Amino acid sequence: DQQVKQNSPSLSVQEGRISILNCDYTNSMFDYFLWYKKYPAEGPTFLISISSIKDKNEDGRFTVFLNKSAKHLSLHIVPSQPGDSAVYFCAASSNTNAGKSTFGDGTTLTVKP
Amino acid sequence: KAGVTQTPRYLIKTRGQQVTLSCSPISGHRSVSWYQQTPGQGLQFLFEYFSETQRNKGNFPGRFSGRQFSNSRSEMNVSTLELGDSALYLCASSFRTGDSGELFFGEGSRLTVL
Repeated sequence: DQQVKQNSPSLSVQEGRISILNCDYTNSMFDYFLWYKKYPAEGPTFLISISSIKDKNEDGRFTVFLNKSAKHLSLHIVPSQPGDSAVYFCAASSNTNAGKSTFGDGTTLTVKP
Repeated sequence: KAGVTQTPRYLIKTRGQQVTLSCSPISGHRSVSWYQQTPGQGLQFLFEYFSETQRNKGNFPGRFSGRQFSNSRSEMNVSTLELGDSALYLCASSFRTGDSGELFFGEGSRLTVL
């Protein structure tokens, strides 16, 4: 049972346009949702997070939206830059199971110049 | 501030052997967790240690084990290696619990089993 799913393995967008990465989850007990970015030969790096009590969190070019009723979250990158090309992982954690994060399979974003 | 350090970065083993991977967390971080990443797969949770105690364990066989030392450094061990154990093993540390659970990852140890 995969509790966090990223249904799009890849996404390609033009530089300057918006990138939208999607993530679905099944466990309503998750308290936080996080996005990580991973470049080849490097470990994932934290990008942005959102608490389950909020529906939007913004940090510069990155905005995460949470729709609890649909158990869906999305990451918006505006404007997209070639340096954003990487694998993006959606993850979820709960306060009752601290220390364990559940990850999706990742979406490879390619931003074309 | 030094990041999470994992050693070795690359290693090649043969089936049946065992391997030990090491992780030094960011100074002050008491939680260390381990993840396995295989091609096309997300990060699969192995286990998490906090103050030398295993708090969480993922769905991996008993061949996968770990421990944490008093200085928060952690090791994971895989015994009787199988071909399917070939993967990138990532260690992550975090400072406190009950927050968003933001993890700081090392660069990983890439294990190849022949």
